[in-house]
Amino acid sequence: ETGVTQSPTHLIKTRGQQVTLRCSSQSGHNTVSWYQQALGQGPQFIFQYYREEENGRGNFPPRFSGLQFPNYSSELNVNALELDDSALYLCATEDRRSGNTIYFGEGSWLTVV
Amino acid sequence: GIQVEQSPPDLILQEGANSTLRCNFSDSVNNLQWFHQNPWGQLINLFYIPSGTKQNGRLSATTVATERYSLLYISSSQTTDSGVYFCAGGRGGGADGLTFGKGTHLIIQP
Repeated sequence: ETGVTQSPTHLIKTRGQQVTLRCSSQSGHNTVSWYQQALGQGPQFIFQYYREEENGRGNFPPRFSGLQFPNYSSELNVNALELDDSALYLCATEDRRSGNTIYFGEGSWLTVV
Repeated sequence: GIQVEQSPPDLILQEGANSTLRCNFSDSVNNLQWFHQNPWGQLINLFYIPSGTKQNGRLSATTVATERYSLLYISSSQTTDSGVYFCAGGRGGGADGLTFGKGTHLIIQP
């Protein structure tokens, strides 16, 4: 049990549509990151939010965007979905006040058809 | 960016065997972590180990930061140890995220 909850667990979208994935974490985990994991690969860093502001971004286009809320929950939004966006999307949180251990949610499996 | 190489890519062992998984980094990192991913996709943090040695039950890890590698040891393997093991590293304050290797796929047979 990592204390990080993601929803939905599975979803299917059509190319060109938009999707919102959600993540909630234990109180005190003030940093949230999102990762994309394609089949057979390691997770790839999308972006990180700290105190409700984006403070780091990987090599992903602007159609990947996010939000972090005062209650530490977070959203990942993807616009204009492409077939290659099919992947497992992972939310990760950490409490910078107690070291750098990162806790992952169970992920959201997105299929784009 | 940082490149992370893990070896071996696949490993099949009998229950009770010991194993060593390796992770090499192309550049120095000050945030290094090992994870286990179960068949349902859940990533569980095993160690935060930017340097030195740590042990947790049958698992232990050693990072030699000056030589940019880390080792994960699994002793007396159990079938529940099966899954994919990832190492990941990062620099600075963490705003660049972690760079993951491609993982070691471990299968423990009864």
